[in-house]
Amino acid sequence: ETGVTQSPTHLIKTRGQQVTLRCSSQSGHNTVSWYQQALGQGPQFIFQYYREEENGRGNFPPRFSGLQFPNYSSELNVNALELDDSALYLCASSLPSSPLHFGNGTRLTVT
Amino acid sequence: QQQVKQSPQSLIVQKGGISIINCAYENTAFDYFPWYQQFPGKGPALLIAIRPDVSEKKEGRFTISFNKSAKQFSLHIMDSQPGDSATYFCAASMLSGGYNKLIFGAGTRLAVHP
Repeated sequence: ETGVTQSPTHLIKTRGQQVTLRCSSQSGHNTVSWYQQALGQGPQFIFQYYREEENGRGNFPPRFSGLQFPNYSSELNVNALELDDSALYLCASSLPSSPLHFGNGTRLTVT
Repeated sequence: QQQVKQSPQSLIVQKGGISIINCAYENTAFDYFPWYQQFPGKGPALLIAIRPDVSEKKEGRFTISFNKSAKQFSLHIMDSQPGDSATYFCAASMLSGGYNKLIFGAGTRLAVHP
């Protein structure tokens, strides 16, 4: 059973650019969530996808968007990057109403 | 009302001692309270979780104590080991809604000295 895998592991972007982060869910999991973890803080919920539809969103602006594919993998897209977007982006997969299993994240640095 | 407050921010314990981390919540609709362990460069890993219908859950050296009336829960690590040195996060969510949005505490950095 493979766990949640995320790519890339590290990324450096310039303010104003766009970025796409990728996540492969754990085998059998049909729900994917994305979290942002700033340095020294707890993860904050961005959104959740179930059956390719967004079914919940945290307090993040529309320039944060996502997709879920038929194989349950997912993408997080961030447009018009700001310096404060520098963080560890975590993907978690699960079955509905079940515990979340996190990947090791993508470290995004915006300069 | 959506916050989960965690304390202490950091904790130093001697090997073999008991580590205790506390969390408090406001939203009485929360029905799932997990603890996650995170090592540097890794994602959070589920350690142990509790539902509000029980007051305590134990798995090996890890115990969650839950006080529904006080809206507080805590993690106890018995016989703490240097390998337990990590950041611990409490969290809460409304799992029964089919939509597991975790609200995390700010984290506790635990150092276990040999």
